[in-house]
Amino acid sequence: AQRVTQPEKLLSVFKGAPVELKCNYSYSGSPELFWYVQYSRQRLQLLLRHISRESIKGFTADLNKGETSFHLKKPFAQEEDSAMYYCALSGLGETGANNLFFGTGTRLTVIP
Amino acid sequence: DTEVTQTPKHLVMGMTNKKSLKCEQHMGHRAMYWYKQKAKKPPELMFVYSYEKLSINESVPSRFSPECPNSSLLNLHLHALQPEDSALYLCASSQDPRAHTEAFFGQGTRLTVV
Repeated sequence: AQRVTQPEKLLSVFKGAPVELKCNYSYSGSPELFWYVQYSRQRLQLLLRHISRESIKGFTADLNKGETSFHLKKPFAQEEDSAMYYCALSGLGETGANNLFFGTGTRLTVIP
Repeated sequence: DTEVTQTPKHLVMGMTNKKSLKCEQHMGHRAMYWYKQKAKKPPELMFVYSYEKLSINESVPSRFSPECPNSSLLNLHLHALQPEDSALYLCASSQDPRAHTEAFFGQGTRLTVV
């Protein structure tokens, strides 16, 4: 069965400091990994996905299949990065349809 | 239009009431989802519709009944709910049910069962 683990419920960093949000996963097939973000009073939205290998708002995430990890990193945190971050795994279920499963989330607070 | 729209935003219902949550998207997406999110918890998948057919039902009680009238609309019919069903109900859609494409989420309906 699929599982996504985010070990830190809360993470606080100072503005300008590096930030890393951890995510580990387990899945028997070949998953697609995403990071979703929820800013205060806004809807859940995609931040980035591993297959695109791009940097969004200064964030990057590398899929490490050996360690089954997909950690989210940013070299210099900004106050506007304060939000709830969810790591998510997308896998095709028995019916062939796409399932999206979320980790428990990490609330990031950037201290001015 | 690149949004998923959910109505109502808030709903308070008694345990004997029947109500429906509605979700709409006009992005041509062929997969639509219902999630339940309790406070300080991640979204939990409830139902997945693939090409207007129910493809996944994650062991959800029968007091929740989904319906997909067409490719743009998704309903969740509620009947005889319990107070523990109070939560934020999220609708989402994605382009292709058989590919790992981005899911777009609505703002949610905050349901309170009294």
